[in-house]
Parts: sequence; C-alpha cells; structure tokens
Amino acid sequence: DTGVSQDPRHKITKRGQNVTFRCDPISEHNRLYWYRQTLGQGPEFLTYFQNEAQLEKSRLLSDRFSAERPKGSFSTLEIQRTEQGDSAMYLCASSTTVSLYFGPGTRLLVL
Amino acid sequence: RKEVEQDPGPFNVPEGATVAFNCTYSNSASQSFFWYRQDCRKEPKLLMSVYSSGNEDGRFTAQLNRASQYISLLIRDSKLSDSATYLCVVNQGSSNTGKLIFGQGTTLQVKP
Repeated sequence: DTGVSQDPRHKITKRGQNVTFRCDPISEHNRLYWYRQTLGQGPEFLTYFQNEAQLEKSRLLSDRFSAERPKGSFSTLEIQRTEQGDSAMYLCASSTTVSLYFGPGTRLLVL
Repeated sequence: RKEVEQDPGPFNVPEGATVAFNCTYSNSASQSFFWYRQDCRKEPKLLMSVYSSGNEDGRFTAQLNRASQYISLLIRDSKLSDSATYLCVVNQGSSNTGKLIFGQGTTLQVKP
C-alpha cells in the first residue's frame, strides 16, 4: 500500500496524559499536513511541513501541541497534558502540489 | 465570517435527481479550488479541482465565479453511492502552495 498511513488508528487516553501520533506520507511527497476534524465540521488546519521545515502553524495549535518531521519523511504530532476538548480525528495528508492525499486518521478520545 | 462557507444540509434527494451545492470563500486572493468527498468515518478524498472556465467529470460539474467568490458543484443523475459529505476547499492566499481551508461540508443522502 503506497498511500498515507497513520498510527495508531484509535487512541483512548485519560485527561492529563501525553499522546503521540505518527504519519508516514507517500514517499515522493515533500509536503506534509496535519488537520483536526470534529463531528459535523470540516478538517481544521493545524500545521504543515515542506521537507523537514515546519512552515506554518495554526493559532489552534496551543503550546501543548508539537509536531516534528525530523528527516523530511515521517512526522509525529504530540499532545501534552490532553484535555477532553482534544477529542477529535487527527488527519495527516501529503502532497507534491496543492491537492492533498489524506491518511485514514487517528481517532482520539480523551476521558 | 468563516473563510469557506457551505450549507451543511442535509440534502435528501431521490435517485436520478440533479442536486447542486454552493460554497462561498472570503479571501479574494485564493488561487486553487477543490471539491473533496468524505464518506462516513473515512478520510476526505479529492473529487475534482475547480477551474475558472468550469469543468466536468462525468456526472459532476464544478463552476467558479471569482467576482462573487462562489464555487458550485452539480451532480446529475444521482446514485445511491453519491451519498456522502462534500467539502468545498480553497487554498489560503495568493500562492499555489501552503494550506488548504475546508468548509464545513454539505451532506447528501440519495434515497432509492
């Protein structure tokens, strides 16, 4: 399968715990995006990378959120001290042009 | 005002009907426009790009009106398999790189 992959697909955690999600983009794609989606809403932009450089971060991305793409390949998104409001689907996407190819997402539930 | 606005619906139509969705965007400098389709509990997938001259892909027609900052999607001869959420997507700013902004999505239910 040469599509975008994300791990884990589901995560249940208790409030206050830290979680980390991984995204493996399509291999030749130099751009990688993180979005968050809640029920009934479209995906909201969080951040994006061109190769290993993080080029933009949304105001939605509080200090508790950090994303990395250390070698310009896979990326991780970490949420520290999770809150119930962090419960959402976290979507990763990659591209070489403007149109995006999404992974299946990581569904996070914070209890 | 949201950057990309759509009527969330739902639109309930019988098989074979023609249905149209509209979308407005706020940034007049935007250069790239798309419709994505999202099935329930799945990731969004690109349906089609939207070009200034309008474009068609089978039963789907997309139109762009830059003066009114308005995008539309027309689906002819609706199939049960067209039931999904349709997301209007616009790039932010004048560059053709960078982030895409998604609308809330419009839900379509095609009934037998």
